[in-house]
Amino acid sequence: SQKIEQNSEALNIQEGKTATLTCNYTNYSPAYLQWYRQDPGRGPVFLLLIRENEKEKRKERLKVTFDTTLKQSLFHITASQPADSATYLCALGVYTGGFKTIFGAGTRLFVKA
Amino acid sequence: KAGVTQTPRYLIKTRGQQVTLSCSPISGHRSVSWYQQTPGQGLQFLFEYFSETQRNKGNFPGRFSGRQFSNSRSEMNVSTLELGDSALYLCASSLMSGGATDTQYFGPGTRLTVL
Repeated sequence: SQKIEQNSEALNIQEGKTATLTCNYTNYSPAYLQWYRQDPGRGPVFLLLIRENEKEKRKERLKVTFDTTLKQSLFHITASQPADSATYLCALGVYTGGFKTIFGAGTRLFVKA
Repeated sequence: KAGVTQTPRYLIKTRGQQVTLSCSPISGHRSVSWYQQTPGQGLQFLFEYFSETQRNKGNFPGRFSGRQFSNSRSEMNVSTLELGDSALYLCASSLMSGGATDTQYFGPGTRLTVL
């Protein structure tokens, strides 16, 4: 069956450290992968998109890697801050006669001061 | 630019009723996608409209329907509401169909509670 798996447990880290979130998928062949941030009671906010032919993308303190052989993406937040505390969602862009976005369940990140 | 707006923000209905939710995309965006978010199932794709045509559909029963108007505003309708339809309904707009090559911008959502 098709699955997207993100760390189900919340991730607790100390301010200043690097947070690493994992997204694994099975039985999908995504053309691209996106990461979103969602705060309680709000809609997701787009962070980064990486395509199937790209290995790594960076934006400020964020870095995402995409390994289509391992079927895995890693999302890193360097020098994390308490304001980075949120739920992070990974999403696959798949083509099924038209593109659609399939979301993972998300990982809660808590950054302690 | 104004962001994606959704109305109403909160809604309480009873089983068997129907409901219509509205979404106004960012000006110039022609694609609107709808998602249902619940604690158990996460964000699930309902359908996507691009230039008034439904381009893609998720695995939801026919009670869930939608449409898009010529100004790109979109509505989704749920008929014969069930308790399990209680969820946060999110819409997202993008320039291209399916948000394939660019960002999807999400609205704040409509929180639907079915009693």
